[in-house]
Amino acid sequence: NAGVTQTPKFQVLKTGQSMTLQCAQDMNHEYMSWYRQDPGMGLRLIHYSVGAGITDQGEVPNGYNVSRSTTEDFPLRLLSAAPSQTSVYFCASSASLGPNNYGYTFGSGTRLTVV
Amino acid sequence: TQLLEQSPQFLSIQEGENLTVYCNSSSVFSSLQWYRQEPGEGPVLLVTVVTGGEVKKLKRLTFQFGDARKDSSLHITAAQPGDTGLYLCAGANYGGSQGNLIFGKGTKLSVKP
Repeated sequence: NAGVTQTPKFQVLKTGQSMTLQCAQDMNHEYMSWYRQDPGMGLRLIHYSVGAGITDQGEVPNGYNVSRSTTEDFPLRLLSAAPSQTSVYFCASSASLGPNNYGYTFGSGTRLTVV
Repeated sequence: TQLLEQSPQFLSIQEGENLTVYCNSSSVFSSLQWYRQEPGEGPVLLVTVVTGGEVKKLKRLTFQFGDARKDSSLHITAAQPGDTGLYLCAGANYGGSQGNLIFGKGTKLSVKP
């Protein structure tokens, strides 16, 4: 089924460890983004990309890196995990930004715990 | 900074009741979207409203975009247990880096049989 695939679904890290959250979409969407969801805080944008080779920071980018070498993949790297990065992470994609684009497709999320 | 305020934060009702969820901002948005999220899953798009005053219906759900495009409401008629979930509104402004969605914090709805 077409959509956004995130792996892993669950992860426990020790403080200081690094890891990469994977995100892949098979809808040929140009726009991809990463959000984190925390209780009482809603969804906050971490990084986004408007196409292969182009990335930019969102609202809460510190401690995270991204790259977009292909249209399909948009991995999120945690450089040195901290307990404050305990959260549920969602990857989302859309065909474009602008009046003709009416919605994001979200992955099912990665629940990350940093101890 | 654009903000979207949703109310109420929590709502617990009996099956068959009607309810309205509100999404308000001091900013104008090009469009506003509503998503529903179930536990352990990502948000799923319900509807997008674009024109001020627009009303869209999706079965028992009615969505309205305010005339000034600063607010929106979601009304559910005769709620069912299957409507249980987190309802999120999200505003978009198009053009350059402003094309990202800004999400409200959500309304957690519980419909009891």
